[in-house]
Amino acid sequence: DIQMTQSPSTLSASVGDTVSIACRASQSISTWLAWYQQAPGKAPKLLIYKASNLESGVPSRFSGSGSGTTFTLTISSLQSDDFVTYYCQQYNSYPWTFGQGTKVEVK
Amino acid sequence: VQLVESGGGLVKPGGSLRLTCVASGLTFSDDYMSWIRQPPGKGLEWITYISNSGIITYYADSVKGRFTISRDNAKNSVYLEMNSLRVDDTAVYYCARESYSGSFDVWGRGTLVTVSS
Repeated sequence: DIQMTQSPSTLSASVGDTVSIACRASQSISTWLAWYQQAPGKAPKLLIYKASNLESGVPSRFSGSGSGTTFTLTISSLQSDDFVTYYCQQYNSYPWTFGQGTKVEVK
Repeated sequence: VQLVESGGGLVKPGGSLRLTCVASGLTFSDDYMSWIRQPPGKGLEWITYISNSGIITYYADSVKGRFTISRDNAKNSVYLEMNSLRVDDTAVYYCARESYSGSFDVWGRGTLVTVSS
């Protein structure tokens, strides 16, 4: 199975900051990577697919980059709704696997 | 576009439960579907997939041989039959549409399954 490792596990920031979350795969997954946002008590929401493609309706302050084994989610100009948890997910090969999550909290 | 799960609840270890996910606003017979679960306070775990025709299925090792995914395209529904339930199966279970690229672009709200004596 492909292991996905996110860092950091928790990130402290302020409204207006730009932050980055890293996701590393245990083997190459090309660009078969998605990023999700999950608010407490809610279902995950797709933000980015195929590493760098913004899902329809998602604000442009979210961006993704990377290929192979190293990926990054960047959130520019953090808004209050962005202080939630983010997950990466690989879909290069079954079983699909998720990172352990990164919680973005208010500094 | 909506997915609605039902069928969760409290069950004893070793028991069984059947979850249902009903889709609306989708061309369901074209869609690949998965179940993903999330234990309380923990991360996401993909557990099973079914192709649009229902012919192809995949399972995570953690549920293989105990859980069965199926679908009825005439009813716009996908099911998860769960047998030999264990305490560590306790989780919110989400159904999700798998896009053609493989990411999950539509999610239900989830249904909570609690396995406890």
